[in-house]
Amino acid sequence: AQSVTQLGSHVSVSEGALVLLRCNYSSSVPPYLFWYVQYPNQGLQLLLKYTSAATLVKGINGFEAEFKKSETSFHLTKPSAHMSDAAEYFCAVFTPMNSGYSTLTFGKGTMLLVSP
Amino acid sequence: DAGVTQSPTHLIKTRGQQVTLRCSPKSGHDTVSWYQQALGQGPQFIFQYYEEEERQRGNFPDRFSGHQFPNYSSELNVNALLLGDSALYLCASSTSSGGNPSTDTQYFGPGTRLTVL
Repeated sequence: AQSVTQLGSHVSVSEGALVLLRCNYSSSVPPYLFWYVQYPNQGLQLLLKYTSAATLVKGINGFEAEFKKSETSFHLTKPSAHMSDAAEYFCAVFTPMNSGYSTLTFGKGTMLLVSP
Repeated sequence: DAGVTQSPTHLIKTRGQQVTLRCSPKSGHDTVSWYQQALGQGPQFIFQYYEEEERQRGNFPDRFSGHQFPNYSSELNVNALLLGDSALYLCASSTSSGGNPSTDTQYFGPGTRLTVL
């Protein structure tokens, strides 16, 4: 079965500081992993995805994530936080279904707070 | 290029009532998935529609049903509403690539906030 665990429901950083949001996965098949961002009162926007092409994945808005099989992790990072990065971030794993098609299984999310 | 759209934005219902939520997929997409996001939680998969048929369902009761139209738009219906159905309902669209994660990326709409009183 596929699952993801996001460590820390809230992460606080200062503007300009490194952002690190943690995600660990469990997967019975080679994992495909995603990070989505949700701004207040909005839907989910895809930040980046890992589909086995490269272990370091670059996304939008300066975010990147590294797939580490040995650690079953897919942590999201950004070198320098901006106030506009304040949002909730969700890690998700590609989940094959009995039908042969797929859906996503999400973590519970991490709220990123950025202070001036 | 319009993205995924959902209507209405907000909805308030009382227990026992029925509700219909609507979704139009991103241009070029033929598959629609519905998710429920309770407060403080990640989205939970409800079901997925392709070619006007439900092809997979998550762990939700039969009170939750759906429909997909020939133009690929979709509806989510919830009967006999419970207080616990209060949530943000998200629609996601994708192409039917047979489970290829490289191309089977789901794009989400803004959601419908349902409040059950």
